[in-house]
Amino acid sequence: SQQGEEDPQALSIQEGENATMNCSYKTSINNLQWYRQNSGRGLVHLILIRSNEREKHSGRLRVTLDTSKKSSSLLITASRAADTASYFCATGRGSYIPTFGRGTSLIVHP
Amino acid sequence: GAGVSQSPSNKVTEKGKDVELRCDPISGHTALYWYRQSLGQGLEFLIYFQGNSAPDKSGLPSDRFSAERTGGSVSTLTIQRTQQEDSAVYLCASSLTPESHEQFFGPGTRLTVL
Repeated sequence: SQQGEEDPQALSIQEGENATMNCSYKTSINNLQWYRQNSGRGLVHLILIRSNEREKHSGRLRVTLDTSKKSSSLLITASRAADTASYFCATGRGSYIPTFGRGTSLIVHP
Repeated sequence: GAGVSQSPSNKVTEKGKDVELRCDPISGHTALYWYRQSLGQGLEFLIYFQGNSAPDKSGLPSDRFSAERTGGSVSTLTIQRTQQEDSAVYLCASSLTPESHEQFFGPGTRLTVL
């Protein structure tokens, strides 16, 4: 079964707006990563947050982690048409094999 | 190379045939992963190689699937007697070390079984 589940499944916004995606998981984790996938091909790593961290930033990306609620959020500020992609969270536990969710499909309209 | 490469990019085959998918990881990366992604779905883990250790094959869906990694570099995923449900995008990823967590993905091989 999937460890991480993204919400919403699909998100459609206008350029310039902020986009927020959430990831919930069931069991304790060591770290959580967010990846972006364009056109159903390879994934690109965006950011990793460890279980002892609460927030990380990278450019226009902001990731939060709430281990008490077993959830993470990815915020993209001032979105651009180029941000159109699918976004996946991947949870890491004891092994080095992350578990990916089904993803959120983001469409940013110019 | 500059990134992870996979070949072929697309493969169409007939049910019952065997296929081989190839992955060239980033030079020096010790960890290599294979995933399968069906349309609109997340990534399904298949197999993990780390250095010279025995691979973790826990994600392989059946004994028709096998993979090897020669010389700690190039990997080949083989699917024997393909079935229509094997149709998917097969993604390979590598990471510098398992502890680095960040995975670098190839563009994938889109497999269609008719």
